[in-house]
Amino acid sequence: GAVVSQHPSRVICKSGTSVKIECRSLDFQATTMFWYRQFPKQSLMLMATSNEGSKATYEQGVEKDKFLINHASLTLSTLTVTSAHPEDSSFYICSAIAGSQETQYFGPGTRLLVL
Amino acid sequence: LAKTTQPISMDSYEGQEVNITCSHNNIATNDYITWYQQFPSQGPRFIIQGYKTKVTNEVASLFIPADRKSSTLSLPRVSLSDTAVYYCLVARNNDMRFGAGTRLTVKP
Repeated sequence: GAVVSQHPSRVICKSGTSVKIECRSLDFQATTMFWYRQFPKQSLMLMATSNEGSKATYEQGVEKDKFLINHASLTLSTLTVTSAHPEDSSFYICSAIAGSQETQYFGPGTRLLVL
Repeated sequence: LAKTTQPISMDSYEGQEVNITCSHNNIATNDYITWYQQFPSQGPRFIIQGYKTKVTNEVASLFIPADRKSSTLSLPRVSLSDTAVYYCLVARNNDMRFGAGTRLTVKP
């Protein structure tokens, strides 16, 4: 099946620092990946659509200069949270599209804690 | 955007069949319907996907009526480990926004 990995699985950082999260499609190529954020007891909130070789498309209300997305290859997309603050603490999940039916497969998520 | 509506929560007991229905009244011709399961602090896991009628795999069945304005995920003989949040997703043009999901609690 289609496998998506994320690294790191959890990260703790100080306020004001930047954190990079990697999302990889392990056994397939993904021209499109998605980044979500999820707060406790809530649904997944789509942050942006990451397209290989082009700029990401951000959802309304998501600051593109704060959440930098790079999709430089068909198997890797990165999300960088710049100048992180405690309110950025959340569970970040990526996904990638695979197959003719455009099924979305998810990574295991990254828990970010900003102190 | 094919907005989806699901019950917020459901309770069941071990060994019962559970049916979770999702409404998607403005589904488009090319849209597929996909269901996911999510445990706390994990990414959603693909359960099943369908376009019309009935689809069955080793863990679930998906029933889609002819008008495709709703779908029902059927979990046969649930166990405690099936306690999770279940999401239906109807995607169009890579518009992958999730609804609120259904929190299923399986009791002994």
